Amino acid sequence: NAGVTQTPKFRILKIGQSMTLQCTQDMNHNYMYWYRQDPGMGLKLIYYSVGAGITDKGEVPNGYNVSRSTTEDFPLRLELAAPSQTSVYFCASSGRTEAFFGQGTRLTVV
Amino acid sequence: KQEVTQIPAALSVPEGENLVLNCSFTDSAIYNLQWFRQDPGKGLTSLLLIQSSQREQTSGRLNASLDKSSGRSTLYIAASQPGDSATYLCAVQYGNKLVFGAGTILRVKS
Repeated sequence: NAGVTQTPKFRILKIGQSMTLQCTQDMNHNYMYWYRQDPGMGLKLIYYSVGAGITDKGEVPNGYNVSRSTTEDFPLRLELAAPSQTSVYFCASSGRTEAFFGQGTRLTVV
Repeated sequence: KQEVTQIPAALSVPEGENLVLNCSFTDSAIYNLQWFRQDPGKGLTSLLLIQSSQREQTSGRLNASLDKSSGRSTLYIAASQPGDSATYLCAVQYGNKLVFGAGTILRVKS
């Protein structure tokens, strides 16, 4: 069982570059989430989706964009990367009960 | 604002002790509450899920309770072991959003 798969695991970006963090789940969950986790902090919600074609902003959406064209995929797009976006990014999915998380993407912007 | 707070921020105990981790939330209109474990550099592993209509859940040496009226949940770990050392995160489902506390870093000394 794959669960929630995130790619890449690590990435170094230069200031101003853009990239897409991929997230795929195989549990047919409607709910999907993107979080960032900074050192010593909890997880802050960036964007979430309640189904294909429906997305909404979380607590810290600035500098990010998402799309949800299928139930399985929920990519997170960073435009014009900034040092403040250095963080670990987690994707999660839920069937409205237990949430399952990917292993994370460690992103450094230099 | 829907906030989740975890106390203490860090805890160090000798092996074999029973311990309690605390989670409080500001809005009692929750859908469910979930406890996670996170090992250093890893993703999140779900430990226990309590639905809003439930008072507690148990899994092995772990017991989680929920008191919606007071906005509190506790995670009880019996007979702690060095392998329990990790960060424990509490997450509350509010509508479509899953809101996290900052976590409690637990160290169990052998």
